[in-house]
Amino acid sequence: DTAVSQTPKYLVTQMGNDKSIKCEQNLGHDTMYWYKQDSKKFLKIMFSYNNKELIINETVPNRFSPKSPDKAHLNLHINSLELGDSAVYFCASSHQDRGNTEAFFGQGTRLTVV
Amino acid sequence: QKEVEQDPGPLSVPEGAIVSLNCTYSNSAFQYFMWYRQYSRKGPELLMYTYSSGNKEDGRFTAQVDKSSKYISLFIRDSQPSDSATYLCAMSTYGGATNKLIFGTGTLLAVQP
Repeated sequence: DTAVSQTPKYLVTQMGNDKSIKCEQNLGHDTMYWYKQDSKKFLKIMFSYNNKELIINETVPNRFSPKSPDKAHLNLHINSLELGDSAVYFCASSHQDRGNTEAFFGQGTRLTVV
Repeated sequence: QKEVEQDPGPLSVPEGAIVSLNCTYSNSAFQYFMWYRQYSRKGPELLMYTYSSGNKEDGRFTAQVDKSSKYISLFIRDSQPSDSATYLCAMSTYGGATNKLIFGTGTLLAVQP
């Protein structure tokens, strides 16, 4: 049973396209996150949602739009993809009372923009 | 200067060695300190977390926090080839969900059989 699952695992697309990444967690957590990991393995938070409400929105281009239809799902839509968007995107989840101290990560979506 | 600094390695050690992984940080407000392990092409998994200063031990792993020096360490005893991975330190100012985890860049560890 996968705790935090993301789809797709790999995504290769052309510049200018729009794409979505989906995330689901079956841990009963109330907080979900999107992180971006660059080619040097640096992991940086992009967004977090608590009970479907956006609570962290880092300085991310507005081409990136997260959506949380319910507590168990957090999707990421990216418009007008650019070469610099190539990275691995990780979804994570946690309980609010534990915050980020016990965040569980998905397997990642490796996005390549050509 | 990044808020959290971590030597990227790679660090290569023979099987059975004691490994020491370290991070330094600049924000004295950090109170929660974590170590994540990330295998190649996988997501990070939480190994240990510590609140404030002190030591915490879990099997072959020991986490140390020295807030006065703004320095944290992860020790791995009797290292195994299966420990080969990237180790990421992470920290936050408090445990609430509105707070961000700040990660180091990770240290790549290779344990040679």
